[in-house]
Amino acid sequence: SQTIHQWPATLVQPVGSPLSLECTVEGTSNPNLYWYRQAAGRGLQLLFYSVGIGQISSEVPQNLSASRPQDRQFILSSKKLLLSDSGFYLCAWSVRLPGTEQFFGPGTRLTVL
Amino acid sequence: SQQGEEDPQALSIQEGENATMNCSYKTSINNLQWYRQNSGRGLVHLILIRSNEREKHSGRLRVTLDTSKKSSSLLITASRAADTASYFCATDSGAGSYQLTFGKGTKLSVIP
Repeated sequence: SQTIHQWPATLVQPVGSPLSLECTVEGTSNPNLYWYRQAAGRGLQLLFYSVGIGQISSEVPQNLSASRPQDRQFILSSKKLLLSDSGFYLCAWSVRLPGTEQFFGPGTRLTVL
Repeated sequence: SQQGEEDPQALSIQEGENATMNCSYKTSINNLQWYRQNSGRGLVHLILIRSNEREKHSGRLRVTLDTSKKSSSLLITASRAADTASYFCATDSGAGSYQLTFGKGTKLSVIP
């Protein structure tokens, strides 16, 4: 069966510090991968998605970047965090078909102070 | 822009009652999905309904889709305390897109 891992689970970082969040998927090949951010009490905002190694689509201009160095690894990064980067970050995967269900990881709670 | 919009934003019911949540969207879709999120956790897929379907059932869940009104509803029958969670609708944008657009969700509280 497929599983998706995210780490760390929680993170408290000072403004201006770098960020690296990692997501890995097991039990599937060639998945689409997604990064979302969820502000408190809000819906999900799609940040990036990837249909293959090295292929990243950015949905929202921001202080963040994403990379996919391996088929089942998706990394969210920032060189300098802003207060507004605080939130709940969710990674998800889907099979490579349009409009299919997405499977979510447990999320990372990021607080920028 | 926000594609799916759920209402109500929050719903509180007694255990055993039915819960109905609604979702409206703006553009044509191929399918609409409903997800559930327990507090502080990731989302879990509940059900997918295609644009050519009008109703779909899964256990205690019943989803309807009215493409003429661009709306969907999620009915949870005989609710349980364990159904307490936020529920989100998500729509694709058609045209072979991989992306889903999520609404802001309905927060359901089921009181034992």
